Amino acid sequence: EAGVAQSPRYKIIEKRQSVAFWCNPISGHATLYWYQQILGQGPKLLIQFQNNGVVDDSQLPKDRFSAERLKGVDSTLKIQPAKLEDSAVYLCASSLVATNEKLFFGSGTQLSVL
Amino acid sequence: AQKITQTQPGMFVQEKEAVTLDCTYDTSDPSYGLFWYKQPSSGEMIFLIYQGSYDQQNATEGRYSLNFQKARKSANLVISASQLGDSAMYFCAMTPSGANSKLTFGKGITLSVRP
Repeated sequence: EAGVAQSPRYKIIEKRQSVAFWCNPISGHATLYWYQQILGQGPKLLIQFQNNGVVDDSQLPKDRFSAERLKGVDSTLKIQPAKLEDSAVYLCASSLVATNEKLFFGSGTQLSVL
Repeated sequence: AQKITQTQPGMFVQEKEAVTLDCTYDTSDPSYGLFWYKQPSSGEMIFLIYQGSYDQQNATEGRYSLNFQKARKSANLVISASQLGDSAMYFCAMTPSGANSKLTFGKGITLSVRP
């Protein structure tokens, strides 16, 4: 069984530039999550999708971050414009359902904003 | 609101020995789930073990066991017979039961296994 796929693995940009990350969850998983992990901290949920609908985006900085999950399968997360404090690892995860279910994570995208 | 606390500094253990990683939590939800994840240097978060708040017995998964003390709100991870490959970051996390619940993570503990 293929795992959660993410790309790119690394990205370096300058502040005020834009960047996009892509995630393909495990086949059949209805729920998809984007987490932000700043160095030395635990992951923080940015947005949660159930199929192609948003369930929770309360911690997503909507003035600069956006995410979509077209057709309820893969997803993109965009930052525009990026700030220095956006430097982090962006983890995508998926689960079959969204009730006390273990999450399967991708390897993440490490973003450096200079 | 939920809160996970992991306060141990970097932990060291000798290969083949057991180690306990501490986790305390705070929640007002009557029903919840507790998780431990491992994050090696490759960056991927790997699920290790799950404990439901109403489970009567402590969870075990191979060399991993969860020492769940509900009254003390603690959910410590015990790794027996440590291996070099166990060197990684370990995160405790929790979610209230119910649909569309959010998983909240602690800040993690670094474990280093010495040969």
